[in-house]
Amino acid sequence: NAGVTQTPKFQVLKTGQSMTLQCAQDMNHNSMYWYRQDPGMGLRLIYYSASEGTTDKGEVPNGYNVSRLNKREFSLRLESAAPSQTSVYFCASSELADYNEQFFGPGTRLTVL
Amino acid sequence: QKEVEQNSGPLSVPEGAIASLNCTYSDRGSQSFFWYRQYSGKSPELIMFIYSNGDKEDGRFTAQLNKASQYVSLLIRDSQPSDSATYLCAVNGGNYQLIWGAGTKLIIKP
Repeated sequence: NAGVTQTPKFQVLKTGQSMTLQCAQDMNHNSMYWYRQDPGMGLRLIYYSASEGTTDKGEVPNGYNVSRLNKREFSLRLESAAPSQTSVYFCASSELADYNEQFFGPGTRLTVL
Repeated sequence: QKEVEQNSGPLSVPEGAIASLNCTYSDRGSQSFFWYRQYSGKSPELIMFIYSNGDKEDGRFTAQLNKASQYVSLLIRDSQPSDSATYLCAVNGGNYQLIWGAGTKLIIKP
């Protein structure tokens, strides 16, 4: 089992460019999450999907959109990248949202120039 | 605003000693509590979770939960240099979300 996978691992964008971060899990988990992590700060939730077919905003959703493509896949889209979106992005999944033991992918390091 | 507080450190502990990491939380309704370890440049890795008051042991790690005082601790016995990392505390905040602390950087000195 690969667990949670993310692509790409690294990305450099220019201001105004768009891109989609991909995430997939093979653990048959119901819930999936997108976080960003900035230096010296904890993880901040961008969007989550408690179950297939549902998505909800987290703490910092502005400038992002998500798609829960199927049970395995949850993508994050930046429509018009800004330097403030330079960060490390982590995808996570959990079997049941109630207890929320989350398992993380390796992350995408995004730089917006 | 639900919050989780951790001392940012760094916490420096000699090899072989006990490392004690603490976390306080604001939401009295929280039911589940997690400790993650994050090595520099890597993703968070779940090392312990606890749901009930008291202690839970797993190898060299012990999680302690005190709901009345709203704190959760992680003890690492016989600390090793490989334990050097940032330790993140997370608390179930409802609405399918975890509330995260900013982490404590732990340094184990050989």
